[in-house]
Amino acid sequence: NAGVTQTPKFQVLKTGQSMTLQCAQDMNHEYMSWYRQDPGMGLRLIHYSVGAGITDQGEVPNGYNVSRSTTEDFPLRLLSAAPSQTSVYFCASSDETGVEQYFGPGTRLTVT
Amino acid sequence: AQKITQTQPGMFVQEKEAVTLDCTYDTSDPSYGLFWYKQPSSGEMIFLIYQGSYDQQNATEGRYSLNFQKARKSANLVISASQLGDSAMYFCAMREGSKYGNKLVFGAGTILRVKS
Repeated sequence: NAGVTQTPKFQVLKTGQSMTLQCAQDMNHEYMSWYRQDPGMGLRLIHYSVGAGITDQGEVPNGYNVSRSTTEDFPLRLLSAAPSQTSVYFCASSDETGVEQYFGPGTRLTVT
Repeated sequence: AQKITQTQPGMFVQEKEAVTLDCTYDTSDPSYGLFWYKQPSSGEMIFLIYQGSYDQQNATEGRYSLNFQKARKSANLVISASQLGDSAMYFCAMREGSKYGNKLVFGAGTILRVKS
C-alpha cells in the first residue's frame, strides 16, 4: 500500500494563479480531509468528505474548492492564489471509525 | 473558545527521563476522540496514540501513554524513557462526535527537545 500520496511536494505560484493539489489513497477509505498548517500553528481543516460525491466545508474553506468523484481521489483547487494561502497542505484519510488518520507527506505552497 | 489547548510552547527533557505534554480540551459532545501526533523536522504527521471518550482505560502504545482525566477534560501525553529521536513538535487533536471521523481540531503544539 502506498497509503496517502500528495503531489506536488513543493509549488510556487504567483498571486491570482490557480492550481490543483492532488491527493490519493489506496486504502479504500471513505473519509478524506484537507488541512493547512501555517508556521507555528496546528493544522486547520479546510474541506472534508465522507464519501464519493459528498463534501463539506471545514474551518477555513474560503478560496478553496474540492470535489470527490472517486473513493481514491480528493483534489484541492485554489481558485485564485493569494499570499495568505502560503502554507503546508496535508491530505488525510481514515475509515469510518476515525480512530487512525493517515496523513500524506504534505505540499509546501508559496504564493508570491 | 479554543477547543484544544496546549499550554507548553516548548519543553526540554533529559535523555532516558519521562516527560508529560499537556493537553486540555473543550467539548459538550459525550462522544469524542483524542489524538496525539508527532511532527519531526521532516514535516510528516505521525500518529502516536488515540483515546476514545468511552474508553475505560488509559491508552498506551509502547513508550507512549495517554493520561486521560475526563472530569478535568485533560488528555496529557506521557513519553517514558525519552530518546533523542523524540525531539519533535507534538500535537494534540480532537474529533467531536462519532459521525464524522475525519474532522479533527488541533492544538498549537508543543516543541520537545531531548538533551543528551
